[in-house]
Amino acid sequence: DAKTTQPPSMDCAEGRAANLPCNHSTISGNEYVYWYRQIHSQGPQYIIHGLKNNETNEMASLIITEDRKSSTLILPHATLRDTAVYYCIVRRTNDYKLSFGAGTTVTVRA
Amino acid sequence: DGGITQSPKYLFRKEGQNVTLSCEQNLNHDAMYWYRQDPGQGLRLIYYSQIVNDFQKGDIAEGYSVSREKKESFPLTVTSAQKNPTAFYLCASSIVLAGPTGELFFGEGSRLTVL
Repeated sequence: DAKTTQPPSMDCAEGRAANLPCNHSTISGNEYVYWYRQIHSQGPQYIIHGLKNNETNEMASLIITEDRKSSTLILPHATLRDTAVYYCIVRRTNDYKLSFGAGTTVTVRA
Repeated sequence: DGGITQSPKYLFRKEGQNVTLSCEQNLNHDAMYWYRQDPGQGLRLIYYSQIVNDFQKGDIAEGYSVSREKKESFPLTVTSAQKNPTAFYLCASSIVLAGPTGELFFGEGSRLTVL
């Protein structure tokens, strides 16, 4: 799997958009970008994934650069419940040997 | 409701004892996984199974064993050979697709402490 690089931590004001960057400069053509989040002492939760087009769902938007070397997860209106560790990972189709790095600890402040 | 159930939530063990962590899913998923998480760190893959009666080692399989006799169950045994077993253990499952691999669904975890 391609490696990813994320900032260790970031703060965000409640009600504002949170933009979480992820660098995956060695990503290959058949690798997807996935985002998960983990609220303290719980299991991670899937957020969104994409290949090369931007994606949006009820939780977030995923913006992938044209060269696919980086991406940004956008939480449009952060709430205190969005405080969590966010993981960006890349994986090939049918790749099951998957691990998660340290992620970005996002703290949403009132 | 469909989901993944891990038990026990908290477990204490004396050094030298084997312990088994349970993971059951009713999502009808083919693939199941076990991860270990240490404080302030990410998730490291211990074992995974794509189908009943088959499983593969992940990145840190030493000192652990698994079985997959039923589709819905994937128990993990932490053996006495695991030198530093105190950690948070997470079980996950996913469907198997011909296209992009399905998202992982995680249980709530089991916290093992060796006394």
